[in-house]
Amino acid sequence: GAVVSQHPSRVICKSGTSVKIECRSLDFQATTMFWYRQFPKQSLMLMATSNEGSKATYEQGVEKDKFLINHASLTLSTLTVTSAHPEDSSFYICSARGPYQETQYFGPGTRLLVL
Amino acid sequence: AQKVTQAQTEISVVEKEDVTLDCVYETRDTTYYLFWYKQPPSGELVFLIRRNSFDEQNEISGRYSWNFQKSTSSFNFTITASQVVDSAVYFCALSEAWSNDYKLSFGAGTTVTVRA
Repeated sequence: GAVVSQHPSRVICKSGTSVKIECRSLDFQATTMFWYRQFPKQSLMLMATSNEGSKATYEQGVEKDKFLINHASLTLSTLTVTSAHPEDSSFYICSARGPYQETQYFGPGTRLLVL
Repeated sequence: AQKVTQAQTEISVVEKEDVTLDCVYETRDTTYYLFWYKQPPSGELVFLIRRNSFDEQNEISGRYSWNFQKSTSSFNFTITASQVVDSAVYFCALSEAWSNDYKLSFGAGTTVTVRA
C-alpha cells in the first residue's frame, strides 16, 4: 500500500518551454501532496504544499507563477514549470499523505534537464 | 534554524560491519514525529520508520534498529551487518504537530557506502 507514482521520470526540454509533471497516489486518497526540489548531493527543499481543491501554499522564495501547482482530485497533483530555463534543471519529487496520516509517501522523482 | 541535524556527511564501511547514523532534532512542540527515509541511487525516497514523540520504545526491523532518546533529542539509526544494497543516502526528518499539513523538515542526509 501507499504507492505514489510520478510521470515522466525524465524530461529534456528546450529553454522557454513549459513542462508538466504528474503525481498520483495509486492506492490511497491523498488529501495533501507536497512538491520538493533536490539539487545534486543536497537535501530536499519543500517548494509547496497542496490540499485537494485548494490553492497551493508556496514556501518562501518559490515563484508561484513559475511553478504552477494543481491538485484537482484526491489522487492527482500536477506541477507545471513554466517557461523553463537551464537553472530550473533539477530533480523534482512529490509526496502524498492521506487523511489523518502523519507519513508522507514519495514518488520516484522526475529529472528535468532544460537545454 | 536547522531543525534536524545529521552531522555525518558520509560513512564508508566494509560489508558486514555495523553502521550507526546520528540524527539530532530541535523542536518546542511536545507532539512531533520523527522519520527515516532511504534514498538509493535511483532517487526514490523509501519510508523506513515513523516515531511519535510519546513513544520512546526502541524498534528493530530485521537488520535495522532505531534508538529514540528524548533526553538528548536524538533519533539514531543502526544498520547491522551492512550489505552493499544498503548503500544510499539516508535522511532523518521531523514533523511538528503545529503544522497541520505535517510538513517535513529534512536533515542534510548521510551518504552510506558499503564496500564488498
